[in-house]
Amino acid sequence: EVQLVESGGGLVQPGGSLRLSCAASGFTFSSYWMHWVRQVPGKGLVWVSRINSDGSTTSYADSVKGRFTISRDNAKNTLYLQMNSLRAEDTAVYYCARVFGYNAFDSWGQGTLVTVSS
Amino acid sequence: DIQMTQSPSSLSASVGDRVTITCRASQSISSFLNWYQQKPGKAPKLLIYATSTLQSGVPSRFSGSGSGIDFTLTISSLQPEDFATYYCQQSYSTPPIVTFGPGTKVDIK
Repeated sequence: EVQLVESGGGLVQPGGSLRLSCAASGFTFSSYWMHWVRQVPGKGLVWVSRINSDGSTTSYADSVKGRFTISRDNAKNTLYLQMNSLRAEDTAVYYCARVFGYNAFDSWGQGTLVTVSS
Repeated sequence: DIQMTQSPSSLSASVGDRVTITCRASQSISSFLNWYQQKPGKAPKLLIYATSTLQSGVPSRFSGSGSGIDFTLTISSLQPEDFATYYCQQSYSTPPIVTFGPGTKVDIK
C-alpha cells in the first residue's frame, strides 16, 4: 500500500525556519517525481514545489522561491521541504504528493500544519 | 502563468441529482486536466486524470470531458458520499508548474 506520511509542522515565529519531511513507503520512491502542495484551512489548494525522481531538477511557486528548498533522499525514501524566512501567509497545511502520468497526484499524505505567528 | 477558474463556486444538490462542474483554463492546456475530490479534514483524492480517464477505484458515476480551455466534471447520480469540494488542476505548463482551480463545494440541498 502506498503511504506518504508528513511530519515536522508546528508553530514558528515570523522569520523562522522549519523543515518538513515526507516518509514514503509501499512503492519505489526513487522512480517518482514528488511535489508539495499547501492549503490554508478553509481555502483552496496551492502548488508549492516539485522535484524530479533523482533530485536533479526542482521548481517553485513564485511565492516561495528563494525561501523554500525541496530535496529528497532516495536511500531513505524521504522528501523534504526546508522553509526559511517564514511569513504569516505561509501558514497552511502542507501535503506531499506523488505524481504519475499527466502530472496527476495519485497519492497524498495526510498533511502537516505549519503555523507562522508571533 | 496559466490560470484556472471553476463554476459554480458552490452548489446545493439532492441525492440522485446530476451535477456538472465546469473548469476553464486561461489558455489551451490540451488534455492536461485532472480532477480531485476533497472532504473536510482529508487530503484530496484523484478522481479523473487526462481530462476523462477514471482513476482506479473511482465509481463510474464520475466522468470528465473537454479539451483546450473548457472542461467538465459530471456526477451522473449524486450519492451521499459525494458531498465534498472538487478541484480541477492543470499540468500543461513547461516546466510543469501546477495550477489548481479555486474549487467547487457541493453540499446537500
